[in-house]
Amino acid sequence: EVQLVESGGGLVQPGGSLRLSCAASGFTFSNYWMTWVRQAPGKGLEWVANIKEDGSEKYYVDSVKGRFTISRDNAKNSLYLQMNSLRAEDTAVYYCVRRLGGWFDFWGQGTLVTVSS
Amino acid sequence: EIVLTQSPGTLSLSPGERATLSCRASQSVSSSYLAWYQQKPGQAPRLLIYGASNRATGIPDRFSGSGSGTDFTLTISRLEPEDFAVYYCQQYGRSPETFGQGTKVEIK
Repeated sequence: EVQLVESGGGLVQPGGSLRLSCAASGFTFSNYWMTWVRQAPGKGLEWVANIKEDGSEKYYVDSVKGRFTISRDNAKNSLYLQMNSLRAEDTAVYYCVRRLGGWFDFWGQGTLVTVSS
Repeated sequence: EIVLTQSPGTLSLSPGERATLSCRASQSVSSSYLAWYQQKPGQAPRLLIYGASNRATGIPDRFSGSGSGTDFTLTISRLEPEDFAVYYCQQYGRSPETFGQGTKVEIK
């Protein structure tokens, strides 16, 4: 059974940093692109970042470029999102998602990040 | 950036009725690279349809997708109680991948 379990969310002050983690199991993690998608409270879905199977390619939505870094450790079956210079508008539930052919076939339950003073 | 506009914003229907949800793109979506997701309150989204018309594993055949170019449709042939939720379309033909704003299907 495919499982994606996020952790690392919480309350952080504007300008602060946070590192999200995602533990993957039930599939061969190193064979898949992985993605972070976020959802602000009461709002829709927003793609944040993608990373290729071997970590050699990474793509970001413009609003997080230069502030967020996606990475992975295939030996640990783990995906990460390092978030720096956080802003109030980054407040959202962050989902770890498996990417297959461009669409997102499995989603974690999400971790809430709140940026507030 | 391809903007996806979903309509209607809210659809009020009764169980057993047919639901027709629209997703219109601001530019042509190449190779029908369009997916649909269902999200229930407090839950993560679930993949329903990919490639505009292909049902994901385990999705009942009352869900169907159609369309190409800039106009796509998700149809639920007969609404079951568990189908009342928010539905999102997503295009993955051009970066950045974008989602529509969602259509809520509520019980009338």
